[in-house]
Amino acid sequence: EDQVTQSPEALRLQEGESSSLNCSYTVSGLRGLFWYRQDPGKGPEFLFTLYSAGEEKEKERLKATLTKKESFLHITAPKPEDSATYLCAVHTGGGNKLTFGTGTQLKVEL
Amino acid sequence: SQTIHQWPATLVQPVGSPLSLECTVEGTSNPNLYWYRQAAGRGLQLLFYSVGIGQISSEVPQNLSASRPQDRQFILSSKKLLLSDSGFYLCAWGFGAQETQYFGPGTRLLVL
Repeated sequence: EDQVTQSPEALRLQEGESSSLNCSYTVSGLRGLFWYRQDPGKGPEFLFTLYSAGEEKEKERLKATLTKKESFLHITAPKPEDSATYLCAVHTGGGNKLTFGTGTQLKVEL
Repeated sequence: SQTIHQWPATLVQPVGSPLSLECTVEGTSNPNLYWYRQAAGRGLQLLFYSVGIGQISSEVPQNLSASRPQDRQFILSSKKLLLSDSGFYLCAWGFGAQETQYFGPGTRLLVL
């Protein structure tokens, strides 16, 4: 069975304090790994898709990387508006199902 | 550009009452459509998905059902709600073989 584990569960940073969120996965045949941002009471907002080990994608202060066993979401010089829950999901063979992790709740303080 | 709508945004229903949540997508044709439920402290759980009108796949046997009466309309229903049906329901759409799924704003359901 496909499994996705995110760590840490919660992270508190000071503004400007860079850090990384981890998403480790155990799947058979990865077809894509997805990162989403979710604000309280709202639907997840798509950030990145990564398809193969070594791939990297960037958007503003966020950079996602992928290895054969895990993905990292690096946050450089975060601001309070980056506070949200970040979700990781994997798409594997055998249909269109995404398997989600439980997320990392990030809070960035002034 | 594509837009996905869900309504209602919030719903409070008594146990045993029926349920109908609606999701519509604009700006695309023949999308794959999904219903997820998100419980506090847990990841998103896929409930149903559809690759076309009248085609529904169920991922989790439960008190809920789904229908797709039109290409861009997806409905989640129940004949009799249970307390355990409370949660945040999300509709999503996707397209293509290695698709990204895009989520709607969600419906918060509280069953009392």
